[in-house]
Amino acid sequence: GAVVSQHPSRVICKSGTSVKIECRSLDFQATTMFWYRQFPKQSLMLMATSNEGSKATYEQGVEKDKFLINHASLTLSTLTVTSAHPEDSSFYICSARDRRASQRYSNQPQHFGDGTRLSIL
Amino acid sequence: QKEVEQDPGPLSVPEGAIVSLNCTYSNSAFQYFMWYRQYSRKGPELLMYTYSSGNKEDGRFTAQVDKSSKYISLFIRDSQPSDSATYLCAILKAAGNKLTFGGGTRVLVKP
Repeated sequence: GAVVSQHPSRVICKSGTSVKIECRSLDFQATTMFWYRQFPKQSLMLMATSNEGSKATYEQGVEKDKFLINHASLTLSTLTVTSAHPEDSSFYICSARDRRASQRYSNQPQHFGDGTRLSIL
Repeated sequence: QKEVEQDPGPLSVPEGAIVSLNCTYSNSAFQYFMWYRQYSRKGPELLMYTYSSGNKEDGRFTAQVDKSSKYISLFIRDSQPSDSATYLCAILKAAGNKLTFGGGTRVLVKP
C-alpha cells in the first residue's frame, strides 16, 4: 500500500528555533502533498497544499512566512516552522496523493504520515 | 454549521459488539467518502473509500453512503480491543483536492 514517511516524529526545542519537518512518499510519486495541524482531541486542520515545482497554497489564517513549505521533488515536501514559539506546539501531519490514476480509486485518496509532535519550550 | 458533523463520543462497547459510526454533511457537492482510523500519536490510516450510495464491505468493516440524506456510516463487526482508536470521516468534492474532516469519534472496545 501507499506509504508516507514523516521525519522527525518528535521535536523538542527552545523558543526562537526554526524546525524543519520532512514528508516523503516512499512507493509512489506525489504531485500534491498536504500539511495539517492537529491539536489534542481535535480533528485535522488543513494548513496548506503543496504542489511540486510551484508555490504552496495556504489556508486562510495560516502565515506563509511562519510556515515555509518546499516541494522540490515528486517524493519530498518540507515544512519549516520559523522562529517557533510555544503556541506553535502541536501535532503536524502530512499527506500525499498518488499522481497515477488507478482502477481502484476514481479520485485518489490521501495517505498520511505518522505525524511530528512539536514541543516548543 | 460545520460542513461535516460527527459525534465525538467516546463510544464504549464490549469486545465482539458491532461498532456503529456516522457522519452527516451539508454540501451536495461532496462525492467521495472516506473513513480513517487514527491511533493515539499516529497519523490517520485509510480504512474505507467509496463514492457511490450503498454499501461497501471490506473484512469486518462496512461503509454505507446515503447521498439523498447526506449521511455516511461505518460499521465494525466483531470489534476487538485493537479497534480502540479515533475514527474520522473525510469527504472530498468531485475533482476536488481538499479533504473535509469530521471531528472524529473516539471508540473504546473493552475486553
